[in-house]
Amino acid sequence: KNEVEQSPQNLTAQEGEFITINCSYSVGISALHWLQQHPGGGIVSLFMLSSGKKKHGRLIATINIQEKHSSLHITASHPRDSAVYICAVRFRSSSNTGKLIFGQGTTLQVKP
Amino acid sequence: DSGVTQTPKHLITATGQRVTLRCSPRSGDLSVYWYQQSLDQGLQFLIHYYNGEERAKGNILERFSAQQFPDLHSELNLSSLELGDSALYFCASSLGTADTQYFGPGTRLTVL
Repeated sequence: KNEVEQSPQNLTAQEGEFITINCSYSVGISALHWLQQHPGGGIVSLFMLSSGKKKHGRLIATINIQEKHSSLHITASHPRDSAVYICAVRFRSSSNTGKLIFGQGTTLQVKP
Repeated sequence: DSGVTQTPKHLITATGQRVTLRCSPRSGDLSVYWYQQSLDQGLQFLIHYYNGEERAKGNILERFSAQQFPDLHSELNLSSLELGDSALYFCASSLGTADTQYFGPGTRLTVL
């Protein structure tokens, strides 16, 4: 049973489109991370959030603690945004460790 | 560049063999995490060390072991290798246990 669910699994968009990737989790968390993994394999941390909303450039991440749901938005998408986006959570029950539990990832392809 | 280094980048070995993967965390980071990414399982947490002390263990096989040394670098030892151990192994580091994690470039292990 996967405790972190992402949707959609695959997403194809045209350049310039607004993109939303969703993440839901089963129980209380201390923090939620959004990660980006490029085809070469490297993983980059985009956001870490525990409440509200964060913005960095064209990326926006939101979290609703009551609904146990987070979204990652990409505005004015570009082919260079093509990557796998991974949601990961640190559950509140893991208080003395930062271990992350990962969603399955969303593969995004942005076509020019 | 995240500041986390992993060696080697690629490793090809045979079943039954033993290998050691090495990770150097970012300067000042006390936490080191090991994660495994396989095609069928996605990203999975293996083990977390904080300042030399083991803090949490995931579904890490008994054939796998790890340690964090006084200079804070970490090694992941994989023994009696099986075909199913072929995967990308990532190390991540963070300042404490509740901070953003920075991922290394990964070690791609192929077991033939």
